Amino acid sequence: SYELTQPLSVSVALGHTATMTCGGNNIGSKNVHWYQQKSGQAPVLVIYRDTLRPSGIPERFSGSNSGNTATLTITRAQAGDEADYYCQVWDNGEVFGGGTKLTVL
Amino acid sequence: EVQLLESGGGLIQPGGSLRLSCAASGFTFNDYAMNWLRQAPGKGLEWVSTISGSTFATYYADSVKGRFTVSRDNSRDTLYLQMNTLRVEDTAVYYCATNATYPASGAFDLWGQGTMVIVSS
Repeated sequence: SYELTQPLSVSVALGHTATMTCGGNNIGSKNVHWYQQKSGQAPVLVIYRDTLRPSGIPERFSGSNSGNTATLTITRAQAGDEADYYCQVWDNGEVFGGGTKLTVL
Repeated sequence: EVQLLESGGGLIQPGGSLRLSCAASGFTFNDYAMNWLRQAPGKGLEWVSTISGSTFATYYADSVKGRFTVSRDNSRDTLYLQMNTLRVEDTAVYYCATNATYPASGAFDLWGQGTMVIVSS
């Protein structure tokens, strides 16, 4: 079965840029979606089809996908960005990465 | 307002059964596939099942195949998940989700608030 690998945690200084990766075999050939989940809340879609932002998601959120790694980037990180972030692809079913906990220092 | 509202969770003994519901509003329910996902305490997201909008084709994760059954009532704008032979490892928050806003995306752009299922003796 297809696996997605995410780092357990990423830390970023307030106002700086956070980069979170999602690794998978030839993931660049798949559509990657990213979700933000704050404590006790349902997930929220922040990036779909690698690079597209849903309405209402700040431009500070961006995505890329190539080769074996997809990346979610948050510029000018804010305290409100602290959350768990999950990547997702479809491969004979929906597959999620294990999630990355983003801490804003 | 587009919304999904789950219900039916609770405490159930191992081997028992439970039926979850997800009431949809604010969009044309029968136009969209609907999904169940779950999240065990302190763990990540796991896809459970999908049912298509009109043909009612169903798909399941291996972990629940043969025990869970997804269905929908398009006249009531409601999604269901019948869970039988429940195991301790089925303990999780169960979410319904769909792609009503960006239907061609393949992403889940609309989620319910979740309902907790605890399987314990």
